[in-house]
Amino acid sequence: NAGVTQTPKFRVLKTGQSMTLLCAQDMNHEYMYWYRQDPGMGLRLIHYSVGEGTTAKGEVPDGYNVSRLKKQNFLLGLESAAPSQTSVYFCASGYDLNTEAFFGQGTRLTVV
Amino acid sequence: TQLLEQSPQFLSIQEGENLTVYCNSSSVFSSLQWYRQEPGEGPVLLVTVVTGGEVKKLKRLTFQFGDARKDSSLHITAAQPGDTGLYLCAGARDAGNMLTFGGGTRLMVKP
Repeated sequence: NAGVTQTPKFRVLKTGQSMTLLCAQDMNHEYMYWYRQDPGMGLRLIHYSVGEGTTAKGEVPDGYNVSRLKKQNFLLGLESAAPSQTSVYFCASGYDLNTEAFFGQGTRLTVV
Repeated sequence: TQLLEQSPQFLSIQEGENLTVYCNSSSVFSSLQWYRQEPGEGPVLLVTVVTGGEVKKLKRLTFQFGDARKDSSLHITAAQPGDTGLYLCAGARDAGNMLTFGGGTRLMVKP
């Protein structure tokens, strides 16, 4: 079972460059999330979606945009990367807003 | 200040020892979840507790939800190297709220 798949797994960007992180889930979940994980700060919610065509801001949305054109995919975009966006990014999906979250393996992003 | 405070942040113990990690808040939660995250992987759910005072056991792991539903603990008996990882608690204040994650406890069990 694939579950939640993130691409790429690693990326190095220069300040000001843009990129898109891809997330795909095969569990037919309505809810999808993007988190960033920084040392000692746990997981912080960037954006989330409660269904196809919907998106909403989380705790730390500035500098990021998202899209959910298809139910199984949730894309996270960085328009102009900054060193403060160096982090590990996790995509997750779930049946409901606060039930079990199923996570991908993460994307380690470094902005230099 | 995080809504869910986990302690300790780091713990290094020898195989066979017992340990307890804590997840505390000043807020009431309708449910609390515990996840374990291994290096290079995403978190994986261990357990969900929903009733104040509830105790759940998962082999050598015992989870407890505080009576007032503001805190939770995870006790590991006879720790093994395979228990090494980052333990995260996450809670929802009510059915309409998102999950909030604590900062995590990083556990290392040495053989």
